[in-house]
Amino acid sequence: NAGVMQNPRHLVRRRGQEARLRCSPVKGHSHVYWYRQLPEEGLKFMVYLQKENIIDESGMPKERFSAEFPKEGPSILRIQQVVRGDSAAYFCASSELPHTDTQYFGPGTRLTVL
Amino acid sequence: DQQVKQNSPSLSVQEGRISILNCDYTNSMFDYFLWYKKYPAEGPTFLISISSIKDKNEDGRFTVFLNKSAKHLSLHIVPSQPGDSAVYFCAASGGGGSNYKLTFGKGTLLTVNP
Repeated sequence: NAGVMQNPRHLVRRRGQEARLRCSPVKGHSHVYWYRQLPEEGLKFMVYLQKENIIDESGMPKERFSAEFPKEGPSILRIQQVVRGDSAAYFCASSELPHTDTQYFGPGTRLTVL
Repeated sequence: DQQVKQNSPSLSVQEGRISILNCDYTNSMFDYFLWYKKYPAEGPTFLISISSIKDKNEDGRFTVFLNKSAKHLSLHIVPSQPGDSAVYFCAASGGGGSNYKLTFGKGTLLTVNP
């Protein structure tokens, strides 16, 4: 049962370091979505990617955050110069069809910034 | 501005009784609503959904009711089982080509006592 895989599951970084979060979608899915869940909050949409393309990054902070989904390999969410406020659970979801609300979520990466 | 609200952070019910989880929304553009279930250390898993053209959708023990005029939906679980204990998220998506952008509530922790 190859669902969405995310790694690492837990990541600890000191302020100013870089965080790289990886997401491997369900086999055959070419659409990936990243969501962030801050403490005591619901999940919030960050970015929607297709292979090699960013479709919608309207939910992603303009600075320090970037995302990619290369032709080969997992999708990467990269956070540069992390700050304490970046501490959250980051969930990746994937879909087979484009622009769909039928999304399958991974287990998440819990980022803690010291 | 929270567009999807789950005002009860937690709910406790006895096994065999009905669990009713509530959700309110403010954005009249939302036309599709979903309920997700989340266990600790796992990602959200899809439970049941409803389109705005319907007022009820049923799947086994789970029924979702939608009251568009009140911008309110509810999830009924009957009979409740201890394995239903989890966090339940209400989510919504809008039309206009951005239905992939799910908006989540903060979640309600359901505890079903044996």
